[in-house]
Amino acid sequence: LAKTTQPISMDSYEGQEVNITCSHNNIATNDYITWYQQFPSQGPRFIIQGYKTKVTNEVASLFIPADRKSSTLSLPRVSLSDTAVYYCLVGDIRGTGGFKTIFGAGTRLFVKA
Amino acid sequence: NAGVTQTPKFRVLKTGQSMTLLCAQDMNHEYMYWYRQDPGMGLRLIHYSVGEGTTAKGEVPDGYNVSRLKKQNFLLGLESAAPSQTSVYFCASSYSFTARDRTYEQYFGPGTRLTVT
Repeated sequence: LAKTTQPISMDSYEGQEVNITCSHNNIATNDYITWYQQFPSQGPRFIIQGYKTKVTNEVASLFIPADRKSSTLSLPRVSLSDTAVYYCLVGDIRGTGGFKTIFGAGTRLFVKA
Repeated sequence: NAGVTQTPKFRVLKTGQSMTLLCAQDMNHEYMYWYRQDPGMGLRLIHYSVGEGTTAKGEVPDGYNVSRLKKQNFLLGLESAAPSQTSVYFCASSYSFTARDRTYEQYFGPGTRLTVT
């Protein structure tokens, strides 16, 4: 399973765009990149997933360069409610083995007023 | 549609006691997972199941057993609890990738906070 490296913490202000970068140098050909958000005392919640280039949904964008050795989660115009821990996961989601994932320590984002 | 539910929400055990945590999902998901999360850390996979009647070990399986007798339920058992098993336990479920042509995401329950004294 590919190991990921993320910043331990980040601070931002309301209304700013936040970019969290995840490094995954040994990503395999079949691996996908997935981001989750976790609030205190809650289970993680899926944000976005991608394989290459750019993926956008109503919540965030995910940028993946051609070499796929890193990825960037972009949160547009954050609010106080975006204060949470963000996890980057890399793994092969296909086949019958299930998605055996490794959650690292994540990035603690603190949004200030 | 309740999603993923976990029972109980909190529990305190004495060392050596046993207990079973119940996870239930109503989304007809094939895959189910049990994780533990220690303070300030990410989640670690304990056991998982890719279908009714099947189970497999994850990253930290020692001291735990699981069973999936019904597709919608996944049970996590602690036969002889130890203080090192004090943690928050999360259950998750998902479709298999081959079953749906969409993003592959895990749906998590609210967690069970277990303290072993």
